[in-house]
Amino acid sequence: RKEVEQDPGPFNVPEGATVAFNCTYSNSASQSFFWYRQDCRKEPKLLMSVYSSGNEDGRFTAQLNRASQYISLLIRDSKLSDSATYLCVVMEYGNKLVFGAGTILRVKS
Amino acid sequence: GAGVSQSPRYKVAKRGQDVALRCDPISGHVSLFWYQQALGQGPEFLTYFQNEAQLDKSGLPSDRFFAERPEGSVSTLKIQRTQQEDSAVYLCASSQPSGDYGYTFGSGTRLTVV
Repeated sequence: RKEVEQDPGPFNVPEGATVAFNCTYSNSASQSFFWYRQDCRKEPKLLMSVYSSGNEDGRFTAQLNRASQYISLLIRDSKLSDSATYLCVVMEYGNKLVFGAGTILRVKS
Repeated sequence: GAGVSQSPRYKVAKRGQDVALRCDPISGHVSLFWYQQALGQGPEFLTYFQNEAQLDKSGLPSDRFFAERPEGSVSTLKIQRTQQEDSAVYLCASSQPSGDYGYTFGSGTRLTVV
């Protein structure tokens, strides 16, 4: 079983749609949580950190449920430019980041 | 520079050849990480430095892989006797010690072993 599991997708949605991604992690000792975005043939870039209280950054909302070891990302009013792979990431002891395999989002006009 | 710099951007190696990949982290970032990303997969951890100390090398897939950061800044990942399964993108990232704000990744080196 992989340490961080995500639905690979692809999620094909029209512009303006709301889309949600979920991820589960296996290590209950994981310390910090993130969503990264990766465009084709580019490096991963930090999208946002994820906190138990939930946090929002514009059209993006992230949520962490430590009891269920579950992380989510909600994107509202999808834009064409949101098309990318979204990587769910947990930080373990020693500052090591563990990545999921990514969820592909395609936003179509 | 302002970001993490990696070179070369692309490398084609013949099977059995040795390669060296360079990473120049963000100035002042004491933590440096190497990751390997195969096509269609998320990055997989290889090794971690804090300053010049290699604190974790548990992700290195074999003893053909070796990393160093002798002066606590630039790091080199060396792969000896490359094999086809080594073909991947090698990503370097740096962060502040706490890592609470995530890492900054370089653009990576795409290694193709033929």
